[in-house]
Amino acid sequence: TQLLEQSPQFLSIQEGENLTVYCNSSSVFSSLQWYRQEPGEGPVLLVTVVTGGEVKKLKRLTFQFGDARKDSSLHITAAQPGDTGLYLCAGVRSAGNMLTFGGGTRLMVKP
Amino acid sequence: DSGVTQTPKHLITATGQRVTLRCSPRSGDLSVYWYQQSLDQGLQFLIQYYNGEERAKGNILERFSAQQFPDLHSELNLSSLELGDSALYFCASSEGGLAVYNEQFFGPGTRLTVL
Repeated sequence: TQLLEQSPQFLSIQEGENLTVYCNSSSVFSSLQWYRQEPGEGPVLLVTVVTGGEVKKLKRLTFQFGDARKDSSLHITAAQPGDTGLYLCAGVRSAGNMLTFGGGTRLMVKP
Repeated sequence: DSGVTQTPKHLITATGQRVTLRCSPRSGDLSVYWYQQSLDQGLQFLIQYYNGEERAKGNILERFSAQQFPDLHSELNLSSLELGDSALYFCASSEGGLAVYNEQFFGPGTRLTVL
């Protein structure tokens, strides 16, 4: 069982649709990050959230940190083929210093 | 380009062998992190070094070891290799020593294949 559970694991949608990816845990996190990884490359940081209830926007991407700092969501509006990739959430627990990754959501946006 | 470099990009070796993976962090970053990414287990944190000292340890096997040198580059040594060690190995770097506040920048990874 992973400390951070991501859902769905796979998502295939048409260009222009909206989608939401979830990252859930029973543990509290000091901060939570979202990464996007393309095949053959390392993860690239999209955003870091540190305050419960925080909402951050990055163009068509909206990130939210749960009030209790145990979960997060990533919402993409009007998805484009360029959004295709593996989306990973990662968190640092209050008592620790290591970054724990979720299992990832593999997104494919078809033109 | 994240500014983090890793060599080699690909490595093919046999079971029982030993290999060394190398990482150069972004200019100015003091922390280096090593991760293993396999198909069945996702991205797993192995170990972190901060300014030459071990700072945090994750699920790193005893057959694996790492170090960070005075010039801040790091090496991950994998010995007595097994088929299950085949994976992508990523290095990441950040400015400081606290993962909670420091954003990590990942290198392109080394793909290790053990035959």
